[in-house]
Amino acid sequence: DAGVIQSPRHEVTEMGQEVTLRCKPISGHNSLFWYRQTMMRGLELLIYFNNNVPIDDSGMPEDRFSAKMPNASFSTLKIQPSEPRDSAVYFCASRGGAGDTEAFFGQGTRLTVV
Amino acid sequence: AQSVTQLDSQVPVFEEAPVELRCNYSSSVSVYLFWYVQYPNQGLQLLLKYLSGSTLVKGINGFEAEFNKSQTSFHLRKPSVHISDTAEYFCAVIEGAGGSYIPTFGRGTSLIVHP
Repeated sequence: DAGVIQSPRHEVTEMGQEVTLRCKPISGHNSLFWYRQTMMRGLELLIYFNNNVPIDDSGMPEDRFSAKMPNASFSTLKIQPSEPRDSAVYFCASRGGAGDTEAFFGQGTRLTVV
Repeated sequence: AQSVTQLDSQVPVFEEAPVELRCNYSSSVSVYLFWYVQYPNQGLQLLLKYLSGSTLVKGINGFEAEFNKSQTSFHLRKPSVHISDTAEYFCAVIEGAGGSYIPTFGRGTSLIVHP
């Protein structure tokens, strides 16, 4: 398996633009997490899906952020409109079925909003 | 709700010296504990985990950690570090039965190994 695949690896955009980050979890995994990593706040959970259903989105900063998981093999995190303070590394992670505990991380998307 | 505290933001050490990275957690239910490593421009990789049983767990690259329930700690150790161990290390906790089952991470400890 290729692991968790995120795209793009780097994204530079102007303030006010829409940004979409993509994630393909490991096949067969039924939990998916989006995290944001910054120097100031470390790794923060944004949203958690289980079986494609959002279970906990309390970490989503504000209405400008939205996440979807239309099927078991794809998820998106969208920021509209983007702001400079959204600059961070965004990680997607997936985890297997009931009883599995290890989360497998993608390589992240480094977002810079100028 | 669970929380994780990594007491040291940065730990400098010389090559071949021992190292300990500290982690304390807070939870009202039983927990599973993890250490992940992040190399520059990479995602996080699992080093080791404690689920149950023996409180001393061994992981990859010669690392080990000890679960201490009374002190709510899960410190990571290596008897002799190598330059290639330079990386960011994250402690994480999952609340088990009755908990959220969502991984919560500490702020990370940057291990810097000097020649």
